[in-house]
Amino acid sequence: KNEVEQSPQNLTAQEGEFITINCSYSVGISALHWLQQHPGGGIVSLFMLSSGKKKHGRLIATINIQEKHSSLHITASHPRDSAVYICAVYNNNDMRFGAGTRLTVKP
Amino acid sequence: EPEVTQTPSHQVTQMGQEVILRCVPISNHLYFYWYRQILGQKVEFLVSFYNNEISEKSEIFDDQFSVERPDGSNFTLKIRSTKLEDSAMYFCASSQQGAGEQYFGPGTRLTVT
Repeated sequence: KNEVEQSPQNLTAQEGEFITINCSYSVGISALHWLQQHPGGGIVSLFMLSSGKKKHGRLIATINIQEKHSSLHITASHPRDSAVYICAVYNNNDMRFGAGTRLTVKP
Repeated sequence: EPEVTQTPSHQVTQMGQEVILRCVPISNHLYFYWYRQILGQKVEFLVSFYNNEISEKSEIFDDQFSVERPDGSNFTLKIRSTKLEDSAMYFCASSQQGAGEQYFGPGTRLTVT
C-alpha cells in the first residue's frame, strides 16, 4: 500500500466548477505539501500545512491530522489550473509523494 | 524573486558513464534535496542534506549516488556508472527550515543511452 494516496487520479472539470482533490497518508508527518506540476514538468509549491487550513487566492488547503487526510480545493476553476497536483508528506528529512491528480479544466 | 537553478537542463550520457547534475539553491536556505521522477511515474525522494552532511537518504540512493556542496553556492548530485534505468528528471529543492516550504528547481532531464 502506498504511504500517500491521492484521489481522484484524473479529473476533468468545466471552467468555473469547484474542484476537490483528496490526499490520505498512513505515516507520521511534520508537514504536508501540495505541489503543482506544470505540463512542462516544473514543480511549484502551493501550500505547506501542519494543521488547519490555508488559503491563497482561489486555492484552499485543509488538513485533519487525526484522520491523516488533506484536501485541496480550487474555486472558480480556470483552464490555466490544468496541471498535475501532488500531495507530499514530510517527516525526518524525508518526503514521500502521492502519484498526483491530473486536472483538466475545459473552457 | 530568488529561485533554485539547475544545470544542465538536459543531459544525454552513455551507459556506464558518470554524470554530475548541478543545482544552485536559494542563498539563505539551509536544507537541500534531490528528487527523481521517472517518466510517467511519481516523484521519488533521493536524499536530503543539511549542515554539510546527508540527513536522510532513500533506498534508491545507493553507492552509485553521491552529493556534495563543493562551495557556498552549488549542490551537486553525482551518478557513477549510469544505467538505463537512471533515465529520469532530477529535481533539486531547497528550504530555509527542515519542515519548511520547499522551492524546486526546473529539473535536469537525464537520458542514458
